[in-house]
Amino acid sequence: SYELTQPPSVSVSPGQTARITCSGDALPKQYAYWYQQKPGQAPVLVIYKDSERPSGIPERFSGSSSGTTVTLTISGVQAEDEADYYCQSADSSGTHVVFGGGTKLTVL
Amino acid sequence: EVQLVESGGGLVQPGGSLRLSCAASGFTFSSYDMHWVRQATGKGLEWVSAIGTAGDTYYPGSVKGRFTISRENAKNSLYLQMNSLRAGDTAVYYCARAYYYGSGSYYFDYWGQGTLVTVSS
Repeated sequence: SYELTQPPSVSVSPGQTARITCSGDALPKQYAYWYQQKPGQAPVLVIYKDSERPSGIPERFSGSSSGTTVTLTISGVQAEDEADYYCQSADSSGTHVVFGGGTKLTVL
Repeated sequence: EVQLVESGGGLVQPGGSLRLSCAASGFTFSSYDMHWVRQATGKGLEWVSAIGTAGDTYYPGSVKGRFTISRENAKNSLYLQMNSLRAGDTAVYYCARAYYYGSGSYYFDYWGQGTLVTVSS
């Protein structure tokens, strides 16, 4: 079955830039989405269509795509950004949703 | 205000069945595809099923043949019938709305708060 691969953890100091990657063979053909999840809460969309930011999401969140890898970048990380981040896409047929394993962002 | 409220979770023995419900409000339920996503404690998100506005359904291999997603538009409700449950099905189950923004692409814009399913003897 199709998989999306993320690093289990990323750590940065406040004010620094955090980059979280997500790799998958179908990513050149399928858009990627990023969700932020804080403990005890439902996920919240922070990036859609690889690099678009929904209204209400701070400008420090951005996304990019290159080949089979998409990247979520958080510039000027703040303590409130500490959370789990999940990439999501679809398989090559577009009928099956796939999530990455998640990345825990720790703000030191 | 869009709201999704799941119910029906609980403790069930291995091999047993459970039916989850998701009550939707604040939007035209019949116009949206709906999904179930689950999350085991301390683990990642896992897509469980989807149902289109026309009633077309989709499942990953891990639940296909055991789970059935359905909807009742007159009651603004989404369901997940889970049979032959296993310990590995233990998780919080979320219902989520799929928002289409163009060219057949969508994202999950609203999620419920989830309902816990525990499969244990």
